[in-house]
Amino acid sequence: AQSVTQLDSQVPVFEEAPVELRCNYSSSVSVYLFWYVQYPNQGLQLLLKYLSGSTLVESINGFEAEFNKSQTSFHLRKPSVHISDTAEYFCAVSDGPCGNKLVFGAGTILRVKS
Amino acid sequence: AAGVIQSPRHLIKEKRETATLKCYPIPRHDTVYWYQQGPGQDPQFLISFYEKMQSDKGSIPDRFSAQQFSDYHSELNMSSLELGDSALYFCASSEGGTDIQYFGAGTRLSVL
Repeated sequence: AQSVTQLDSQVPVFEEAPVELRCNYSSSVSVYLFWYVQYPNQGLQLLLKYLSGSTLVESINGFEAEFNKSQTSFHLRKPSVHISDTAEYFCAVSDGPCGNKLVFGAGTILRVKS
Repeated sequence: AAGVIQSPRHLIKEKRETATLKCYPIPRHDTVYWYQQGPGQDPQFLISFYEKMQSDKGSIPDRFSAQQFSDYHSELNMSSLELGDSALYFCASSEGGTDIQYFGAGTRLSVL
C-alpha cells in the first residue's frame, strides 16, 4: 500500500523567506503525487500535481515541487512566502491518475510570521 | 464556478444516534469520494463511487454505509455513533477519466 511521510509537522518562517516542505512517498511502479492546501476551517484545495513528464511542477501562486524518483521525494518549495500562505499543506499519493483514492501524509503547518 | 457542496456544515449528535451527511458533486462529475479527518490527523479515505457503483473501499466502519444516487449526489449514513467518530468529513468529486479531486468544505461532526 502506498504511504506518504511528511517529516515536519510545523514549519515557522518569516515573511519573504524561502521555504521547503518535505514529502517522501513509498516506492511504487507508478506513482501520482499531489500537494493540497487547507486554510483554517476550509476544505482541501489542490495546489499542484505530478502525473508524468517534467519533474518540476509549478502552481499559479509561486509554489513548485520536484519529483525525485531516486529519493522518492516530492518536496514543495516557495522562494518567498507571504503571510497569506499560512495554512496546512498535505502531500498525497495515488496509485493511478484517475479515479483512485488519495493517501495523505500527516500534514505540515506552515506559519508565516511578519 | 460550482463547487462540491456538503451539508450540513456542522452536526452535533449524541452517542448511539445516527447521522446522514450529504454531498453534491460538481455538475458532470460522476465520481465521489468520502474522507474522514480526525482532530490533528490527515484525511483518511473511506469509500468512493463511480457511476452510482461502489468503486473502492477504505477504512470505513461497518456502522457506516454510503451510496450514490441517480443524480450523482452521495450520502454517508452513520449509525451507533461513537465519540471517536467526531471528525471532519470531506467529500470530493472528479470527472471520470480525470485526475483532480475537488473537495467540499466538509461536515464537522461532533459526537457528545
